[in-house]
Amino acid sequence: GQQVMQIPQYQHVQEGEDFTTYCNSSTTLSNIQWYKQRPGGHPVFLIQLVKSGEVKKQKRLTFQFGEAKKNSSLHITATQTTDVGTYFCAGRKGIGNEKLTFGTGTRLTIIP
Amino acid sequence: DAGVIQSPRHEVTEMGQEVTLRCKPISGHNSLFWYRQTMMRGLELLIYFNNNVPIDDSGMPEDRFSAKMPNASFSTLKIQPSEPRDSAVYFCADSLGNQPQHFGDGTRLSIL
Repeated sequence: GQQVMQIPQYQHVQEGEDFTTYCNSSTTLSNIQWYKQRPGGHPVFLIQLVKSGEVKKQKRLTFQFGEAKKNSSLHITATQTTDVGTYFCAGRKGIGNEKLTFGTGTRLTIIP
Repeated sequence: DAGVIQSPRHEVTEMGQEVTLRCKPISGHNSLFWYRQTMMRGLELLIYFNNNVPIDDSGMPEDRFSAKMPNASFSTLKIQPSEPRDSAVYFCADSLGNQPQHFGDGTRLSIL
């Protein structure tokens, strides 16, 4: 079945440093979504990428969708303590398919 | 809008007991998903419904697990009999078609 892997599994960064998490799917995706889960919370939607090679920005967050639509990345510039949490990518295989396959997640810890 | 509502928030019970988790989706959102989250296995999709009909239950671990959606505003996930390895956080999420998923606060289940 479809697998979505993320690296790294854990990342500890000094506040103000940059952070990147990478997402790789075993199959081509129709689109990919990113979610953030704060400690003790639930996943919250951040963004969706649909087009091959697409790049979207949300303030300090930059999201990319690979040309082959099998990988994606999330980059955070100048991390802040509010960025703490686990970041998940989630891929959708077919356009008419509501099912998402969530990645393994990257847990980000910020050292003040 | 109150969002996706799950109950109970916490459940502690002894192995062998029946456990019923409940979910009320956002009005009008026609897809409903049940996930299980553990440290070892991450966020796993158990089953999802579209317009109250089960579409994919391939993630349901075994016959001890069952899920129903008798109407558009209510779903249950039942475990009978429960076992210690079922301990996890169970999330219900919904979406409108292919739109982003909205997660409930989850039920933290502990089976002793």
